[in-house]
Amino acid sequence: QQPVQSPQAVILREGEDAVINCSSSKALYSVHWYRQKHGEAPIFLMILLKGGEQKGHDKISASFNEKKQQSSLYLTASQLSYSGTYFCGTGNTGTASKLTFGTGTRLQVTL
Amino acid sequence: NAGVTQTPKFQVLKTGQSMTLQCAQDMNHEYMSWYRQDPGMGLRLIHYSVGAGITDQGEVPNGYNVSRSTTEDFPLRLLSAAPSQTSVYFCASSYFNRERSYGYTFGSGTRLTVV
Repeated sequence: QQPVQSPQAVILREGEDAVINCSSSKALYSVHWYRQKHGEAPIFLMILLKGGEQKGHDKISASFNEKKQQSSLYLTASQLSYSGTYFCGTGNTGTASKLTFGTGTRLQVTL
Repeated sequence: NAGVTQTPKFQVLKTGQSMTLQCAQDMNHEYMSWYRQDPGMGLRLIHYSVGAGITDQGEVPNGYNVSRSTTEDFPLRLLSAAPSQTSVYFCASSYFNRERSYGYTFGSGTRLTVV
């Protein structure tokens, strides 16, 4: 079953912050985050493994709450280049490499 | 390094035709997978492989076959194309360890239309 992402779409002005959530009905071992621009391949952003860790990547960071089976992606001081569709991919123990992706969150950053 | 190379980039097939989508990677990744992407449905796993000679089914395997004779190559075969297989197909690869997970590198995709 696919993880559920929310919101489905969000429009921001440059400099504003956003949070994208990813929830699973299954126990998670890992959560990946990817960004895809229109007509291009998804690009890997970061991976979180069970343990509730938070990782950062420039002004993009993420958290993973394994008890709630949720992950959140935080985009701070958004830039035009952040526009695209964000996908979470979830993996389970024993099949950690096999990812199930959410349906995506479309993010548009405007001037 | 080329990364993950997919060919062709675009293809139009008639219903009932067969074809092979090619995927090759030069990163010595053990794990390779095929996804299809349809509007509003995200990426759905078709087949995957954890090494040469080992393949397994994903969520939507019907109508597709795969084989993995080398570490580098993971072709996807459409046996008898149907309009429902119109989609964008992505190949992805990563390192493999049963106990942990690694980020995927995706190919640039194949846009397939079945008429």
